[in-house]
Amino acid sequence: KAGVTQTPRYLIKTRGQQVTLSCSPISGHRSVSWYQQTPGQGLQFLFEYFSETQRNKGNFPGRFSGRQFSNSRSEMNVSTLELGDSALYLCASSLESGPSLNTEAFFGQGTRLTVV
Amino acid sequence: GNSVTQMEGPVTLSEEAFLTINCTYTATGYPSLFWYVQYPGEGLQLLLKATKADDKGSNKGFEATYRKETTSFHLEKGSVQVSDSAVYFCALSDKGTYKYIFGTGTRLKVLA
Repeated sequence: KAGVTQTPRYLIKTRGQQVTLSCSPISGHRSVSWYQQTPGQGLQFLFEYFSETQRNKGNFPGRFSGRQFSNSRSEMNVSTLELGDSALYLCASSLESGPSLNTEAFFGQGTRLTVV
Repeated sequence: GNSVTQMEGPVTLSEEAFLTINCTYTATGYPSLFWYVQYPGEGLQLLLKATKADDKGSNKGFEATYRKETTSFHLEKGSVQVSDSAVYFCALSDKGTYKYIFGTGTRLKVLA
């Protein structure tokens, strides 16, 4: 059974550009979450989707957005990139009920974004 | 709001030493608790979980018991190996908000 797949693994972008990251969840998983990981702030929740609906959003500016498609694949977009957006972006998928009902999240390897 | 507090790292141990990584939480209700491990250059892998008070999660020689009275979920292993070197994250599932809340992570280095 394939795990959570994130593409690309590495990205280098320039300040002011925008970027789109992709996440394919484990087959049958309908909940997809995104987290930003930085040395200073640790793991911070970005948003969670279930059946194409965003159920929760973390405390990030509007430059961070996401969506989920009917096949449960998800993308997140960051516009007008800033140096501080450099981070490892992790996607996690869960079974139908999502993390609210004791089910664990399965994480991808992440996308390492560097903004220069 | 809900939160997780982990002991500061790094923790450096010799091979076969006993490991404890402390984790305490603050939460309303009864969250599920998790330990995740992150190896260099990788994402997070679930190590173990516990879904209710007094549950003991265990995997690969690691154990943690959900202690409601002390709001703790300490990770233990009787004999660590060099291959256990990684960053360990304690987390709780924040029911109703569909997210996990993570501790800051504890880096473990095991020396041969």
